[in-house]
Amino acid sequence: QKEVEQNSGPLSVPEGAIASLNCTYSDRGSQSFFWYRQYSGKSPELIMFIYSNGDKEDGRFTAQLNKASQYVSLLIRDSQPSDSATYLCAVNGGGGSYIPTFGRGTSLIVHP
Amino acid sequence: EAGVAQSPRYKIIEKRQSVAFWCNPISGHATLYWYQQILGQGPKLLIQFQNNGVVDDSQLPKDRFSAERLKGVDSTLKIQPAKLEDSAVYLCASSHLAGRDYNEQFFGPGTRLTVL
Repeated sequence: QKEVEQNSGPLSVPEGAIASLNCTYSDRGSQSFFWYRQYSGKSPELIMFIYSNGDKEDGRFTAQLNKASQYVSLLIRDSQPSDSATYLCAVNGGGGSYIPTFGRGTSLIVHP
Repeated sequence: EAGVAQSPRYKIIEKRQSVAFWCNPISGHATLYWYQQILGQGPKLLIQFQNNGVVDDSQLPKDRFSAERLKGVDSTLKIQPAKLEDSAVYLCASSHLAGRDYNEQFFGPGTRLTVL
């Protein structure tokens, strides 16, 4: 059973701070990794994907991947109250299966 | 570009009844996913189609759940008979890059099922 682990939170940060969200996965052969944002009562929407070791930046968001440690993270700089949501980590299985597994999500609260 | 369409948006049934959900993916998307999301949990993949073939259905409770994707476009998910623990949001998603590693999934609005 492939697993994706996230701390459920909530993670509470003040407006303007950096929010750091973490995810670990069990399938060492996994090749691609996704962060989705899900507002309460809404469907998930993609924020970023990453498939190479290192950092990938897009605006205020940075995804970090360390395949040796089986660890992926999402940093949100200059956090805004509108960033308050649940952040889901998703991992595509290795071996050409491309079957996605989601973590349970981390609830982020950005307070003014 | 139209998004993923799902219906109904809400459904309330009694246990042991049957229910069906419908999904129309984004035009041209080869891969279609059905997820079950229980409150407070992440989406759990029930079944993944590529065109009209099944890629994975290892977590689909096949004694009560069934799904089909005729002609590689629309899909239906059925539960028969429903149990209390089936109460959840059922999400449909589609992706364009079938077989590519970095498939971005586009989600529909979901169907909220309540089983009484």
